Amino acid sequence: AQSVAQPEDQVNVAEGNPLTVKCTYSVSGNPYLFWYVQYPNRGLQFLLKYITGDNLVKGSYGFEAEFNKSQTSFHLKKPSALVSDSALYFCAVRDDAGNMLTFGGGTRLMVKP
Amino acid sequence: DSGVTQTPKHLITATGQRVTLRCSPRSGDLSVYWYQQSLDQGLQFLIQYYNGEERAKGNILERFSAQQFPDLHSELNLSSLELGDSALYFCASSEMGTSGTQYFGPGTRLLVL
Repeated sequence: AQSVAQPEDQVNVAEGNPLTVKCTYSVSGNPYLFWYVQYPNRGLQFLLKYITGDNLVKGSYGFEAEFNKSQTSFHLKKPSALVSDSALYFCAVRDDAGNMLTFGGGTRLMVKP
Repeated sequence: DSGVTQTPKHLITATGQRVTLRCSPRSGDLSVYWYQQSLDQGLQFLIQYYNGEERAKGNILERFSAQQFPDLHSELNLSSLELGDSALYFCASSEMGTSGTQYFGPGTRLLVL
């Protein structure tokens, strides 16, 4: 069975500072990893994914994520946070069959001016 | 806008009732997924359909059922509703293949009173 852990319920960062939202995963076989963001009263928006290739993946809105196979981690990063980045972030892993996504519990990012 | 549409946006009903949630996938996507988001369970995969056929099943209750029609839209039927069924129900669609990204609709918020 596959699983995802997001160890922080909330991350606070000042505007302009770098941010990191942590994610670790457990999966048998190749990991297919995703980050989604959810704004209040909205659906999940796709940010980026890792399938294969470079360990540093670039995505939407200036976000990037670093895949680390030895640490089974896929942390989300941004060099300079914006107040508008404040939202709920979900890490997810998909099985080899290309079916279900298993989500972490989510991390609320608060960016303060 | 992900291109996935869901209706209705909000639904208020009583215990014991039955409701139908509707989803239209992105143009060209053959796979449709249903997820439930609740405060206590987080985001959970319910069921997947591919080109009209059930492909994978997750933590879906026997009171819940789904189908995908020839025009590829999907419906999630929830019956004998209980208070605990109150949640946000998301539909997602994806292109073929294991690297396909799931794009989520805006969700249907169900409140069971």
